[in-house]
Amino acid sequence: AQTVTQSQPEMSVQEAETVTLSCTYDTSENNYYLFWYKQPPSRQMILVIRQEAYKQQNATENRFSVNFQKAAKSFSLKISDSQLGDTAMYFCAFMVNNAGNMLTFGGGTRLMVKP
Amino acid sequence: GAVVSQHPSRVICKSGTSVKIECRSLDFQATTMFWYRQFPKKSLMLMATSNEGSKATYEQGVEKDKFLINHASLTLSTLTVTSAHPEDSSFYICSAGGLTGRDSPLHFGNGTRLTVT
Repeated sequence: AQTVTQSQPEMSVQEAETVTLSCTYDTSENNYYLFWYKQPPSRQMILVIRQEAYKQQNATENRFSVNFQKAAKSFSLKISDSQLGDTAMYFCAFMVNNAGNMLTFGGGTRLMVKP
Repeated sequence: GAVVSQHPSRVICKSGTSVKIECRSLDFQATTMFWYRQFPKKSLMLMATSNEGSKATYEQGVEKDKFLINHASLTLSTLTVTSAHPEDSSFYICSAGGLTGRDSPLHFGNGTRLTVT
């Protein structure tokens, strides 16, 4: 079984600053994917970024980047130049490849971007 | 991109009645759909995995007779909350995936807020 842990229930950051959200996971699998999802007040789940475990290079998507440390089973999300629209719940998620696309979610981090 | 449509977005029902929530994949075939429940300020809790043409697989602690799941086609899965009670009030989200993680992340519906009075 897989577990995903987000140790920061809430975080805040000033607009235009950088913030890092933590995520650790536990698995015995070697072939898997990691995701960060954003859930704004609308409750829509929005994929922010995806990382394949077999790739050593950290994924980046515009202002969002990850620090993937496979040996440490760590997958943090860095948001640069934070914007007010980044205010949301952020969920780290884990998925074993070829296992039916089932996601295991972390408990979430509520991020507040302050003007 | 792929879209998952979930309907209704909000529903209020009386105790003892049943409510059906639909999840449709609009432009791809979803061999597997997932139903989640989310309490306020909490994470998504997987309730069941719905596979087209077969019985759903329920997570431990989820009452299969209360939360009926039907996945009759590759584009539609339904969740029926039977004999609803106020404690069933929650936010329910479906997701659908037809490909492996390499090709496509899961796509989520917009969720259904159920209020049982």
